[in-house]
Formats: sequence, structure tokens, C-alpha cells
Amino acid sequence: DGGITQSPKYLFRKEGQNVTLSCEQNLNHDAMYWYRQDPGQGLRLIYYSQIVNDFQKGDIAEGYSVSREKKESFPLTVTSAQKNPTAFYLCASSIGPRGLSNQPQHFGDGTRLSIL
Amino acid sequence: AQKVTQAQTEISVVEKEDVTLDCVYETRDTTYYLFWYKQPPSGELVFLIRRNSFDEQNEISGRYSWNFQKSTSSFNFTITASQVVDSAVYFCALSESTSGTYKYIFGTGTRLKVLA
Repeated sequence: DGGITQSPKYLFRKEGQNVTLSCEQNLNHDAMYWYRQDPGQGLRLIYYSQIVNDFQKGDIAEGYSVSREKKESFPLTVTSAQKNPTAFYLCASSIGPRGLSNQPQHFGDGTRLSIL
Repeated sequence: AQKVTQAQTEISVVEKEDVTLDCVYETRDTTYYLFWYKQPPSGELVFLIRRNSFDEQNEISGRYSWNFQKSTSSFNFTITASQVVDSAVYFCALSESTSGTYKYIFGTGTRLKVLA
């Protein structure tokens, strides 16, 4: 079945540690996104990528980094600079290159990140 | 400024009751798209419907219906004869593309609890 796979489902980070969240899709979608979800705040965009080897900052990119070396993969690294990383992280993808924002997004099951 | 408001934080209904989830949006564009997503307890957001700004026809899909009114900038979602499986968080989203710039905004969500 086509879809988006996020791993791990739960992740714990120690102080000063960088952690990487995995996101893989087999939908052949060009665009991929990372969102952060906090209680009562809906989804906030961290980074997005409309095509391989290109990505753009979203609304809350500080303390995060991404790469897009392959069409199928868009890993998110939560760095030690992110002082409040505890949240639910969702990866999504959609058809289309830059500008085709009329497409629905397909989401993974999410990764819940907590601080030890 | 682009904005999506879901004023209802949480709604509880008894099974078989009808329930309407409100969504009010703000945009300066004449071309834009509106979406509804469902987030069950598993965490994954599921796409429900997309509407473009030029199509104000209401839509019905089974027990779900959507009322789009540009005059009041609203895109409300009604569930008829609610069921326990409808319990989830529902997000309204707005997407617009101005000169190729990506804009996709989610509301803060409405948690629906359907009691047996």
C-alpha cells in the first residue's frame, strides 16, 4: 500500500542531544512537509520541500534542520538548539511542484518526542 | 493576513445527534482552497474534502456535509447522526498561492467527542 511511514513512533531526547525523525513516502509525491503539533495550537509548519535537493523554512524552523537527498525521504533533525522540543511531529506529502498548493496533503502517523 | 479560526475547542454530543463544526477564514486572495482533515486517536490526519474559492456548492458525502459561504468566509462541516467512530480532532485548513509562494494554514482544531 502507498503511504507515508514515520519512525520511530516514540522518541526520547537527552539534554544537548540531536535526534533525527525519519519520514519515507512511496506515493511518488514531489512535495514533503514537517509539522509540529502542540496541544491547543494546531499544526505549525517547520520545513517543507517542493523538490529534491531543495527545501524552505516554515514558520518555526529555528532549532530544526532537514535534508532532501531523495524524493522518497525527508528526515527532520531536532537539534540541541531547540529548547522546547516536546511535541508531536507529523510528516506529510503532496503532489506537485512549487505553487500547486491546491493539493491535499497525506500524513504519516507521527512521532511523539519527549525530553528525558 | 491569512488565518483560519476554529472557535470551538471541544464539542461533546450524544450518539445520533447532528453536530456542526465551524470554520472561519481570512485571505486576501481571490483564488484559494479550503480543506477539512480528521485526526483520530492514532494521530494520522485524514483528508476529508477540498473546496476551491469559485465553487460555492454545498457538498454531501454520506453523513458528512459541508457548507461553504464566501459572504461570511465560512466553511462549516456537519456530521449527521453522529457515531462514536466520529470522535476525533477535526482541522480546517486554507491554502493559497500568491506568485508561487507557498501558504498553507491549519486552524487549531475542534475535538469532537461522541458519547454512546
